[in-house]
Amino acid sequence: AQRVTQPEKLLSVFKGAPVELKCNYSYSGSPELFWYVQYSRQRLQLLLRHISRESIKGFTADLNKGETSFHLKKPFAQEEDSAMYYCALTGNFNKFYFGSGTKLNVKP
Amino acid sequence: EPEVTQTPSHQVTQMGQEVILRCVPISNHLYFYWYRQILGQKVEFLVSFYNNEISEKSEIFDDQFSVERPDGSNFTLKIRSTKLEDSAMYFCASGNWGDTEAFFGQGTRLTVV
Repeated sequence: AQRVTQPEKLLSVFKGAPVELKCNYSYSGSPELFWYVQYSRQRLQLLLRHISRESIKGFTADLNKGETSFHLKKPFAQEEDSAMYYCALTGNFNKFYFGSGTKLNVKP
Repeated sequence: EPEVTQTPSHQVTQMGQEVILRCVPISNHLYFYWYRQILGQKVEFLVSFYNNEISEKSEIFDDQFSVERPDGSNFTLKIRSTKLEDSAMYFCASGNWGDTEAFFGQGTRLTVV
C-alpha cells in the first residue's frame, strides 16, 4: 500500500542548528518524491522534488531507495524556516499521498 | 506568477445544506484536483479531473460529492448535504501535462455547524 510516514509531529531547533525532517515511504512502483512547505496562513508550496536535485532555501533531500527515505535537511536553520513541512509522493498525474506533516519551530 | 485561487476562504454552513467550493486553476493546466485536510490530520486526496471527467476518486468521495468544470476557468466541488465531519480545509490544485508538480490554492475552510 502507498504510504508516507513523517514520524515527528514537531521539531524544535535553535537558529543555526542543523535540521533533519524525516520521511519514509512505501510504494509499489517508482514514485516521485516531493517536499511541500506551508508557512503560517499560506498555501502549500513546493519546496523541492527529488528529480530536480536542487537546493532550495538551503534545503536538500536525497532519495534513498534502499531505505525508502527522503529526509529533508538543512545545515543551519533560520527563524524564517518555521513552518509545516509535508513529504509527499506521486506515482502518476492523478494524486499525491501526503505525510501527516512536521511542524518545524526554529527558536531564536 | 500564476496561482490557483479559491473562494470563499471560509464557509460556515448548517448541517444538511449544500455547499459549493470554487476554484480557478492556473489557466493552461489540464489536471485538476481536490484535497481535504481535517484539522490535525494529513492532507487527503479526494478526486482528480481531466478532460472533463473524473479520472480517479478516493473512498471519501462518495455520492454526496461532485465536481464540475462549468466553464473554461472554474472548477467546483459540491457537497450536497453537509455533515459535521465534512468540516475541513479543502484545497484545490492543478497541474500540467508532463509535469507531476501540483500547484495548490490557499484553501477554503469549511465549517459545518
